Amino acid sequence: SAVISQKPSRDICQRGTSLTIQCQVDSQVTMMFWYRQQPGQSLTLIATANQGSEATYESGFVIDKFPISRPNLTFSTLTVSNMSPEDSSIYLCSVGGQGSATNEKLFFGSGTQLSVL
Amino acid sequence: GENVEQHPSTLSVQEGDSAVIKCTYSDSASNYFPWYKQELGKRPQLIIDIRSNVGEKKDQRIAVTLNKTAKHFSLHITETQPEDSAVYFCAASKGSGGYQKVTFGTGTKLQVIP
Repeated sequence: SAVISQKPSRDICQRGTSLTIQCQVDSQVTMMFWYRQQPGQSLTLIATANQGSEATYESGFVIDKFPISRPNLTFSTLTVSNMSPEDSSIYLCSVGGQGSATNEKLFFGSGTQLSVL
Repeated sequence: GENVEQHPSTLSVQEGDSAVIKCTYSDSASNYFPWYKQELGKRPQLIIDIRSNVGEKKDQRIAVTLNKTAKHFSLHITETQPEDSAVYFCAASKGSGGYQKVTFGTGTKLQVIP
């Protein structure tokens, strides 16, 4: 299993500002995933962060709004830019377990609860 | 893309009774079906999973069944306990190595009444 440290755990931000969320994994992983969980909702994949290449974004999510960095195999950041109240959500980073199918058996960080005023 | 539907959205059972949560998927190529449990304020955690070459899998009080023909799978919890209270998410993916997107269901909030 992977141990994932995510910070901040929560933040309250003003409209129009940006917040960067950090995710640190205790082992090297090829792919890291960023999810959004709106209040009482399911988990929606924002993007997949690959080391050495640009992140792959899912439909409805764009790089200008959610820029991602992946400087090495154990770390990634997600920035929520130009925030509005609709961005209020829990953001989770995730990695796959070790093995041939690296996206299976997902392990999640503790999440960042973001409130935008 | 894959679409996963999950029912019911909420479920209340008496302690000791069984709970069943059902999911359907749309992509017949999906072959990996995990279930995650998310306690209030906590991160989702994998509790059981099943691959398409297996019809049923058990782990103590929890079991998962899969009907590939009908494209649905279910989570069964027997002898429920208060600590089973949580939100449960089913998911589907075409996991076969490398990257395959995991699609989550909408979640079921299970309440076990002591």
